[in-house]
Amino acid sequence: DGGITQSPKYLFRKEGQNVTLSCEQNLNHDAMYWYRQDPGQGLRLIYYSQIVNDFQKGDIAEGYSVSREKKESFPLTVTSAQKNPTAFYLCASRPFPGQVNEKLFFGSGTQLSVL
Amino acid sequence: AQSVTQLDSHVSVSEGTPVLLRCNYSSSYSPSLFWYVQHPNKGLQLLLKYTSAATLVKGINGFEAEFKKSETSFHLTKPSAHMSDAAEYFCVPNAGGTSYGKLTFGQGTILTVHP
Repeated sequence: DGGITQSPKYLFRKEGQNVTLSCEQNLNHDAMYWYRQDPGQGLRLIYYSQIVNDFQKGDIAEGYSVSREKKESFPLTVTSAQKNPTAFYLCASRPFPGQVNEKLFFGSGTQLSVL
Repeated sequence: AQSVTQLDSHVSVSEGTPVLLRCNYSSSYSPSLFWYVQHPNKGLQLLLKYTSAATLVKGINGFEAEFKKSETSFHLTKPSAHMSDAAEYFCVPNAGGTSYGKLTFGQGTILTVHP
């Protein structure tokens, strides 16, 4: 079945540690997105990529980094510079605009907590 | 620059009465626009989308939205609320218009439906 897979489901970060959240899709979508969801704050865009080897900062990129070396993969690294990383992280992909099935396809999310 | 404002953080209605969830966007060009819904402890679901075809868009579960360029609004409505409509609703304009682009979620509106 086609879809988006995020792993791990739960992740714990120690002080000063970098951690990487995985996002893989087999939907053949060019565009991929990372969002952070905090209670009462909706979804905030961290980074997005419209094509392989290219990505742009979203609204809250500080303390995060991404790469897009393959179409299928868009990993997010939460660096030690991110002082408040505890949140639910959602990855999404999207087919080309204008298609009948155009919408965001979401992964099941990763809950990141600080030890 | 492009931004979105959901004018009400909370809306409370009685079952059987109309629902109005307001969304205003600012953009230098006509965007494509989406409404997503998130039920408690559930994933995000696409309600409807506007992609420069008809300005009145019908979605799932009896919801509809009207794109008004002169008012830069894309308000979500439903003639008669049902208990199952209780959820958080997000307005999402796409700065890319008919192309890929930054997908920024609005702050969200929590809809409460009273018996």
